[in-house]
Amino acid sequence: QSVLTQPPSVSGAPGQRVTISCTGSSSNIGAGYDVHWYQQLPGTAPKLLIYGNSNRPSGVPDRFSGSKSGTSASLAITGLQAEDEADYYCQSYDSSLSGLYVFGTGTKVTVL
Amino acid sequence: EVQLVESGGGLVQPGRSLRLSCAASGFTFDDYAMHWVRQAPGKGLEWVSGISWNSGSIGYADSVKGRFTISRDNAKNSLYLQMNSLRAEDTALYYCAKDNYDILTGYLNYWGQGTLVTVSS
Repeated sequence: QSVLTQPPSVSGAPGQRVTISCTGSSSNIGAGYDVHWYQQLPGTAPKLLIYGNSNRPSGVPDRFSGSKSGTSASLAITGLQAEDEADYYCQSYDSSLSGLYVFGTGTKVTVL
Repeated sequence: EVQLVESGGGLVQPGRSLRLSCAASGFTFDDYAMHWVRQAPGKGLEWVSGISWNSGSIGYADSVKGRFTISRDNAKNSLYLQMNSLRAEDTALYYCAKDNYDILTGYLNYWGQGTLVTVSS
């Protein structure tokens, strides 16, 4: 059972900007724990996209950006490209559960 | 190059057991925490279990607590997941993932390709 809530889907035309929200609570994001984002292309394993709220690993294009405020975080994709069509998941740490790491419900990004 | 290769998946009857393995290479295995994450068909990611570098800290999702046991053998650069009393809802692709820290507080910076577990009679 996910404790981080994301919209099921977002879509945009090539070149547009889309954002994905990740809403948590006072025991995870609101407690100050970092938020991380993963991209899962169809039929492949997840890949780290953003770590520590807003940092990009080497090789991730700068059109991907992350932010965090309060009990929520966001992933933005600017200049949307066809290859960005994928599922995106946020992840954080939760201090109230025995299950320490928590994922978001996932968001499907569709490029129109 | 970091490589994580899972094995041990397959078809198993409800109530039976299965042991997954993950062979790691390309990094100093005993410097990092490791995890199992699963994904049921057509569903999202679910963190299953994690273990710190020295096995001193271990965590489980409530959905598997008491049935699954995570372990590691640093001498063999291997991670394991012993799954007992399997249920239909445990059917999923199981990923092995590397943490960026040695303890259970970080993020998952490398993932394997997964091994499929199907629980069915």
